[in-house]
Amino acid sequence: GEDVEQSLFLSVREGDSSVINCTYTDSSSTYLYWYKQEPGAGLQLLTYIFSNMDMKQDQRLTVLLNKKDKHLSLRIADTQTGDSAIYFCAAPYGGYNKLIFGAGTRLAVHP
Amino acid sequence: DAGVTQSPTHLIKTRGQQVTLRCSPKSGHDTVSWYQQALGQGPQFIFQYYEEEERQRGNFPDRFSGHQFPNYSSELNVNALLLGDSALYLCASSLIQGDNEQFFGPGTRLTVL
Repeated sequence: GEDVEQSLFLSVREGDSSVINCTYTDSSSTYLYWYKQEPGAGLQLLTYIFSNMDMKQDQRLTVLLNKKDKHLSLRIADTQTGDSAIYFCAAPYGGYNKLIFGAGTRLAVHP
Repeated sequence: DAGVTQSPTHLIKTRGQQVTLRCSPKSGHDTVSWYQQALGQGPQFIFQYYEEEERQRGNFPDRFSGHQFPNYSSELNVNALLLGDSALYLCASSLIQGDNEQFFGPGTRLTVL
C-alpha cells in the first residue's frame, strides 16, 4: 500500500543539527521529496533525491536515502530559528506520480 | 516568472453550499494536481489534470470535481459541502515531461460552517 510515516515533533537548540526521519512503502517513482510549510503558508520544495543516490547535499541540507530499509532522512546543519516549520516527506505513487505525504514533523528551534 | 497562484485566499461557506476554487500553474507547466490538507495533517491527493482531462483520482467522493482549461489553469468544485470539507486546498503544477517536480501554490483556506 501507499504509506509515508514521520515522527511528529522535534525540538532542537539554535546552532545544533536537526535530523528528521521518514519511512515509506514501495514508491513508483525515481524521486523522493522534502517540503517545508511555514504557518499559514503553502508548501515549499526544499530538496529532492534521485532514488539511485544514497546522499545529496545542498548547502545546510543533507538528504540520506536507505532504499533497502525504505528510510529517508533530512539533516539541517546549524539550525536557525527561521527553520522552525513543519517538514513533510513525500513519495510519488501510481503511474502519474501522485504525491503521498507523511503527517509532517514540526520542528521547533529554541535559543 | 509567476509561480503557482490560487484564488481566493480564504472562503467561508455553509453546509450544503457549493464552492469553486481556482489555480493558475507556474509558467510553462501543463499538469495540475489538487490536494486537501486538513488541520494538523499532511496533504491528501484529490486528483490530477493534464490535457484538460482527469488522469488520476484519490479517495474523494464525486462531490469533488474539477476542470482544466486550454491555458492549463484549473478549477476545483465541491458540491454539497460538509463540515469535514474545511481544510486548506493546495494546487500543485508540474511538467508532464520531466522529473515531476511539483510546485505548490499558497492554498485556499475553506471554512464550512
